Amino acid sequence: GENVEQHPSTLSVQEGDSAVIKCTYSDSASNYFPWYKQELGKGPQLIIDIRSNVGEKKDQRIAVTLNKTAKHFSLHITETQPEDSAVYFCAASNYGQNFVFGPGTRLSVLP
Amino acid sequence: GAGVSQSPRYKVAKRGQDVALRCDPISGHVSLFWYQQALGQGPEFLTYFQNEAQLDKSGLPSDRFFAERPEGSVSTLKIQRTQQEDSAVYLCASSLAGGGETQYFGPGTRLLVL
Repeated sequence: GENVEQHPSTLSVQEGDSAVIKCTYSDSASNYFPWYKQELGKGPQLIIDIRSNVGEKKDQRIAVTLNKTAKHFSLHITETQPEDSAVYFCAASNYGQNFVFGPGTRLSVLP
Repeated sequence: GAGVSQSPRYKVAKRGQDVALRCDPISGHVSLFWYQQALGQGPEFLTYFQNEAQLDKSGLPSDRFFAERPEGSVSTLKIQRTQQEDSAVYLCASSLAGGGETQYFGPGTRLLVL
């Protein structure tokens, strides 16, 4: 089955700097890769996603890149703000099946 | 519109008790998923419904776990004879169609088994 790894497990950045979180997956059949943000006591919230027919997607300060050959994808957050502090999860899915999540990255944005 | 709702938000059970966790998906969403999230970890898949049909229950950890969605909307996750290792947050998600579509998560039910 699918296995998703995520690095780093914790990340601290200064406000205004960029943050990058990387994930790798094992199943070459996976074709959908969402990123979720989870704040304390809340459920995961989708922030951006990418499908396998696209190499990069951007939404304001957030971007995701996908390298299907290497089976890895990354989340890029620019101009970080304190409210970006949360736990971020990547996931991989093959259409018609459940999501497999990475273990999460705790991002702290220091003012 | 209303998102996914779950109840109760918190549940404390004595070991050996049965519990029932409810999920109200977004109206019109065909697919419903249950995940278990242990402290400090990512969500792990438990089971998946398409309408009232349970298409995948491969993630249920034991036969003490049972899920149903009898009318294709509200779902209930039942845990019989709870054990301490069942303590976790139970998340419900729904999507408009099948897997591979955007899943919208509820706030979760935090279960503590003493």
